[in-house]
Amino acid sequence: ETGVTQSPTHLIKTRGQQVTLRCSSQSGHNTVSWYQQALGQGPQFIFQYYREEENGRGNFPPRFSGLQFPNYSSELNVNALELDDSALYLCASSPDRGPSPLHFGNGTRLTVT
Amino acid sequence: QKEVEQDPGPLSVPEGAIVSLNCTYSNSAFQYFMWYRQYSRKGPELLMYTYSSGNKEDGRFTAQVDKSSKYISLFIRDSQPSDSATYLCAMILISSGSARQLTFGSGTQLTVLP
Repeated sequence: ETGVTQSPTHLIKTRGQQVTLRCSSQSGHNTVSWYQQALGQGPQFIFQYYREEENGRGNFPPRFSGLQFPNYSSELNVNALELDDSALYLCASSPDRGPSPLHFGNGTRLTVT
Repeated sequence: QKEVEQDPGPLSVPEGAIVSLNCTYSNSAFQYFMWYRQYSRKGPELLMYTYSSGNKEDGRFTAQVDKSSKYISLFIRDSQPSDSATYLCAMILISSGSARQLTFGSGTQLTVLP
């Protein structure tokens, strides 16, 4: 067990809707990252938060946004959902910002119809 | 061209075989290398983490890094049906500042037949 839990496990939304995905990290893990994994592909970096501030972002549009809370939980919000947003969304955490490896949760499977 | 190339397979081997999984990369700034295993409907699970060129062994797993050739490998000895999963290589740019951005390969699907 990695100590990273994500909810919900599955979600179905309609194009144009908004969605919020949640992640709970281990106590003391100040860094949380979100990744998008399309079917048959490796995960793609969305963004990273450190101590509640975004400190890195991948090639994703602004309709992907996030929040990190003091209790080591975090959210990924996606507005104006598109069909291509259908994917597995993964949360990963670590205790610091250094190059130590990330440990992932089991993800939320989002389907946009 | 993708920064990290990984043969997607699928790869099917008999139980007990030695498995070799490989990735190549184009950016010499990658300095940290990882292998993750991902079972169906699960998140990636860290298997190996290396920094320098050379070999690192952990039980039945050996990770090999050749920075001069921009090539990394994962060897699995005495493969078991429970090793059947998708294997992902991942790398970190040392110059990515404060963000720890992993760049993944597309994954190799492995099946070990009993």
